Amino acid sequence: KAGVTQTPRYLIKTRGQQVTLSCSPISGHRSVSWYQQTPGQGLQFLFEYFSETQRNKGNFPGRFSGRQFSNSRSEMNVSTLELGDSALYLCASSLGTGWDNEQFFGPGTRLTVL
Amino acid sequence: AQTVTQSQPEMSVQEAETVTLSCTYDTSESDYYLFWYKQPPSRQMILVIRQEAYKQQNATENRFSVNFQKAAKSFSLKISDSQLGDAAMYFCAYRSAMSKGNKLVFGAGTILRVKS
Repeated sequence: KAGVTQTPRYLIKTRGQQVTLSCSPISGHRSVSWYQQTPGQGLQFLFEYFSETQRNKGNFPGRFSGRQFSNSRSEMNVSTLELGDSALYLCASSLGTGWDNEQFFGPGTRLTVL
Repeated sequence: AQTVTQSQPEMSVQEAETVTLSCTYDTSESDYYLFWYKQPPSRQMILVIRQEAYKQQNATENRFSVNFQKAAKSFSLKISDSQLGDAAMYFCAYRSAMSKGNKLVFGAGTILRVKS
């Protein structure tokens, strides 16, 4: 079974631009969560989608948005990029939202904002 | 809001020895779940072990075990017979049982180095 895939793996953007990151969950998984990982702030929860509905949202500005498609693939978008948005963006998928549904993480997208 | 604290930024262990990584958390909830995740240099995070707060028995997965002290809000990870492949960043994480969804609150992480 293929794992969680994230595209692209690396991305370089300049301030003010916008970016879209993609996450394909494991087949059959309906929940996708996104996290931002930085050396200073560590791992922070961005949002979670389940069956195309946003279930949870972290404390990030409105520039960060996401969506989930009917095939459970998810995208996150960051508009008006700032230098501080440089980070590793991880997504995780699970079958559902029961606590014993293990979350599987993707390799991440490394975003650099210049 | 819940917080997770990992007070050891870095730890080192000799191959075949035992090491314990510390984690404390703060919550007002009585029911929750705790996890240890491993993030090797390749960056793909994997689940190491998990614990339900309502279970007094400490979880064990092969060479990995936890010491869960609910009253002290402590959740340490013990790695026995350390191997070179155990070298990674280890994250302690908390998940509420009260709220819907899979949201995890992570600690800052501990880098584990394994010496041969």
